[in-house]
Amino acid sequence: GQSLEQPSEVTAVEGAIVQINCTYQTSGFYGLSWYQQHDGGAPTFLSYNALDGLEETGRFSSFLSRSDSYGYLLLQELQMKDSASYFCAVTASGGSYIPTFGRGTSLIVHP
Amino acid sequence: SQTIHQWPATLVQPVGSPLSLECTVEGTSNPNLYWYRQAAGRGLQLLFYSIGIGQISSEVPQNLSASRPQDRQFILSSKKLLLSDSGFYLCAWSPVDGSGANVLTFGAGSRLTVL
Repeated sequence: GQSLEQPSEVTAVEGAIVQINCTYQTSGFYGLSWYQQHDGGAPTFLSYNALDGLEETGRFSSFLSRSDSYGYLLLQELQMKDSASYFCAVTASGGSYIPTFGRGTSLIVHP
Repeated sequence: SQTIHQWPATLVQPVGSPLSLECTVEGTSNPNLYWYRQAAGRGLQLLFYSIGIGQISSEVPQNLSASRPQDRQFILSSKKLLLSDSGFYLCAWSPVDGSGANVLTFGAGSRLTVL
């Protein structure tokens, strides 16, 4: 089977930088994705890493270390609208390449 | 561009009643289709996925079923709802592009309350 661990909640202030970690266990790892979900809304895709290293998309960056089975999402210049839940999801041959999601991290941004 | 429609957005059903949630995708052909369920404050649990018409894989044994009568239509059903079926149901699609990334695009969701 596959499992993912991420913190349940993270708090930060506007303008700060926050990192949301994700560790995973799976067989036939292929890639790690991140999704954002605002309250009452649907998840939306943020980023995907298949290779080690950092992928940057505007204020958001995602990092992957395959050897450590670890990744993180980095959010810079936090804004109030970044308050949401963030899910990591692993894609693996052991799961037919269908994303398996973590339980999500609730990010609360304070003014 | 591709769009995904899911309905109804909200429904309240009594225990033992039937259920039908519908999802359609526009602007693409032969998409992979998925049904996920999200309990309050929890992650997304994969219920069913489909790689083609009439091809359904079930991930969790339960009283729900899924059907794909047309290429871009995915239906989630139940003959008799249980209290534990309450949750936020999300339909999603991904392209068959061979990348393995399987980026999901979700519908707006259907919030089901079983009383």
